[in-house]
This record gives sequence, C-alpha cells and structure tokens, in this order.
Amino acid sequence: GAVVSQHPSRVICKSGTSVKIECRSLDFQATTMFWYRQFPKQSLMLMATSNEGSKATYEQGVEKDKFLINHASLTLSTLTVTSAHPEDSSFYICSALRQGATAIQYFGAGTRLSVL
Amino acid sequence: KQEVTQIPAALSVPEGENLVLNCSFTDSAIYNLQWFRQDPGKGLTSLLLIQSSQREQTSGRLNASLDKSSGRSTLYIAASQPGDSATYLCAVENQGGKLIFGQGTELSVKP
Repeated sequence: GAVVSQHPSRVICKSGTSVKIECRSLDFQATTMFWYRQFPKQSLMLMATSNEGSKATYEQGVEKDKFLINHASLTLSTLTVTSAHPEDSSFYICSALRQGATAIQYFGAGTRLSVL
Repeated sequence: KQEVTQIPAALSVPEGENLVLNCSFTDSAIYNLQWFRQDPGKGLTSLLLIQSSQREQTSGRLNASLDKSSGRSTLYIAASQPGDSATYLCAVENQGGKLIFGQGTELSVKP
C-alpha cells in the first residue's frame, strides 16, 4: 500500500506559539490532501482540502487564518496552527489522495498537539 | 448533509466470538464506503472499501456489506481475537473525495 508520512507525531507548545505539521506522500504524487482533527473519543472531522498549487478549501467553521495550509509540491502539504491555544489541543491527521481506477485516501499516523 | 452513525459505541466480547458492527448513513448518494481500524493514539488503517455498485467485500476474517438504498453497512468479524481490539470507523465518500466519518465502535476482545 501507499505510504503517507506525518511529522511530528507529537508536539507540546506554549500558548501563543505556532506549530507546523507536515504531511508527505512518500511513493506517489498527490494533488489533493486532506486535514482532519479528532478530539478524544470523537470521530475525525474534516478541516480542509489541500490542493497543490492553489488555495485550500476549508470546511464550515474552520478558521482559515488560524489553520494555514500550504501545498507547494505534489508530495507535501503543511498545516500551521497559528497562535495556538489550549482548545486547539487535539489529534490532527492528514491523508493523501492517490488517483487511479479507484481514488483512495491514505492516512498519516497523526500528530498529537498539546498546547499548554 | 450527510451523517454517519455507528452502533454500538462500544463492544466487549470474549475471544472467539463472531461479531457485527453497524454503520448507517443518511444520504445514499455515495461513491464508496470504507471501514478503518484505529489503534489508540494512532492513525487509520484501511480495512475494506466497498464501491457504491458493490454489495460486499471480504478480507480474511472480515466481511463488509453495503446496502446503499437503505443507507446501511455492516462489518462482520469472524472468530475475534484480542489483537482485533481497536476502534473501528466507518466512512462514506461523497463528491469531491471527502470522507464523512462515523463516531466509531470501540471493540475490546477479552482473552
């Protein structure tokens, strides 16, 4: 199966700082990647769709100025949580869409963000 | 708006039992449905993907069925093992490749 690498796996930061999370497709090119957030005991909620070479599409209720997404290459998308607050603490997971006869999303291992 | 519901929220069974996890969705206009496994604090592992034109998919001890008209899918796990303990997520894919997830079923298989 395809491999998607997400880094870092865990980050602890102070309130007010910014944190960048990387999502890489290691063995295929992905024009589309997705970012999800998962709170404890809850399901994954789609935050935004990241499109290579264009602006990300954000879901309703997700602040685009707070969650900056950059998809500058066909194998890398980044999510930057700006001016992080404790309520941003969550598990963030990315996925990369592999096109083919059937388009399939492959998921990263997730990033646990804790904002103190 | 598509909504995905999974029942039960949690399930505990003794090793060796066969079990069924349920998933329902409100909008039958889906492209496909996937079942994932998530271990605590980890990412997702895709188990089975059923295209909208298909009725079921099988992989080893796992069998997933899809009844698009009624908005339902089931994941059947045969001869459960302690290693099957995890959270199982159902997700439907709508237009544009977006996945809508259910809340998951937390499965515990006791030795």
